[in-house]
Amino acid sequence: DGGITQSPKYLFRKEGQNVTLSCEQNLNHDAMYWYRQDPGQGLRLIYYSQIVNDFQKGDIAEGYSVSREKKESFPLTVTSAQKNPTAFYLCASSIGQNSNQPQHFGDGTRLSIL
Amino acid sequence: AQKITQTQPGMFVQEKEAVTLDCTYDTSDPSYGLFWYKQPSSGEMIFLIYQGSYDQQNATEGRYSLNFQKARKSANLVISASQLGDSAMYFCAMSHRVRIITGANSKLTFGKGITLSVRP
Repeated sequence: DGGITQSPKYLFRKEGQNVTLSCEQNLNHDAMYWYRQDPGQGLRLIYYSQIVNDFQKGDIAEGYSVSREKKESFPLTVTSAQKNPTAFYLCASSIGQNSNQPQHFGDGTRLSIL
Repeated sequence: AQKITQTQPGMFVQEKEAVTLDCTYDTSDPSYGLFWYKQPSSGEMIFLIYQGSYDQQNATEGRYSLNFQKARKSANLVISASQLGDSAMYFCAMSHRVRIITGANSKLTFGKGITLSVRP
């Protein structure tokens, strides 16, 4: 079955540590996205990528970095510069850049500070 | 700037009854899309229904329908014949095109969500 796989499901970060969240899709989608969700809140866009080797900052990119070396993969690194990383992180993908295409989401990664 | 507003407090509905979840939006872009997503307690986001800004008919998908009132900038979700499994958070989102160096892309702006609880 095609879908989006996020790992790990739970992640703990120590102070000053960088951590990387994995996102893999086998839907053959061109566009991929990373969102952050805080308790009781909607999703906020961190980074998005339209094609391989290209990505754009979203609304809250500070303290995060991404890469898009393969179409299927869009890992997110939460750097030590992100002072409040505790949140639920969701990865999504869509067929292309048309605004009428729904985004499909993974099951998310919960990140906490130790 | 694009904005989605969901202001209802937690909603309750009796099983088998219909419920309407409110969503208003603001944009100056004539071309946009409106989506509803469901988020159960497990966390995944499930796409429910889509309405394009130029669509003349209200969208329907099974028990879900979207009451699109363009002049009022509202896109309310109607769930008919509620089921216990409908208990979840529901998010309204708007997509809009953004121009970037390599072409164009669409971005989603989400509302803060509404909690729906279905009572047996």
